[in-house]
Amino acid sequence: DAGVIQSPRHEVTEMGQEVTLRCKPISGHDYLFWYRQTMMRGLELLIYFNNNVPIDDSGMPEDRFSAKMPNASFSTLKIQPSEPRDSAVYFCASSLRWSLSEQFFGPGTRLTVL
Amino acid sequence: DAKTTQPPSMDCAEGRAANLPCNHSTISGNEYVYWYRQIHSQGPQYIIHGLKNNETNEMASLIITEDRKSSTLILPHATLRDTAVYYCIVSYNQGGKLIFGQGTELSVKP
Repeated sequence: DAGVIQSPRHEVTEMGQEVTLRCKPISGHDYLFWYRQTMMRGLELLIYFNNNVPIDDSGMPEDRFSAKMPNASFSTLKIQPSEPRDSAVYFCASSLRWSLSEQFFGPGTRLTVL
Repeated sequence: DAKTTQPPSMDCAEGRAANLPCNHSTISGNEYVYWYRQIHSQGPQYIIHGLKNNETNEMASLIITEDRKSSTLILPHATLRDTAVYYCIVSYNQGGKLIFGQGTELSVKP
């Protein structure tokens, strides 16, 4: 298996622009998670899905952030409009059915908002 | 979710065992102990988890005290590639979330 795939690996954009991050989970995994990592706040859970349905989005910082999972093999995290404080590494992870905690992480997307 | 306490950093000589401690005195009966690590510029990597019994896999061993208030992750023969931040997390296996703390930065030295 190729593992969790994220794209792009690096994204540089200007403040106010829309940013879309993409994730393909491991086949057969029913849970998908989006995390954000910064030096100041460490690794934070933003939202997670079970069987394509958002279960807990309490970590989403504000309305500028939205996440979707249209099917079992694809998810997006969108930031509109982006701000410099959104600069971070965004990780996607997936886990097997019934196992919320044994997660496999992707390589991350490093986002820089100028 | 229960909180964990880990030393911020540790050193280990290459080839020796690395023993990483974790305190989780408020762990509840159904919470598991999970260990992840994050090598620089990579995503976190699952290592091992356990509930009550000691566990071993190809990567590491997990020793959980009888009262479950602390645990130790053991890398039996540390290599330079084991240099990473190691996170100890307690969580329910079903319905729980991973809350990453600050972890222990392990430096394996030649």
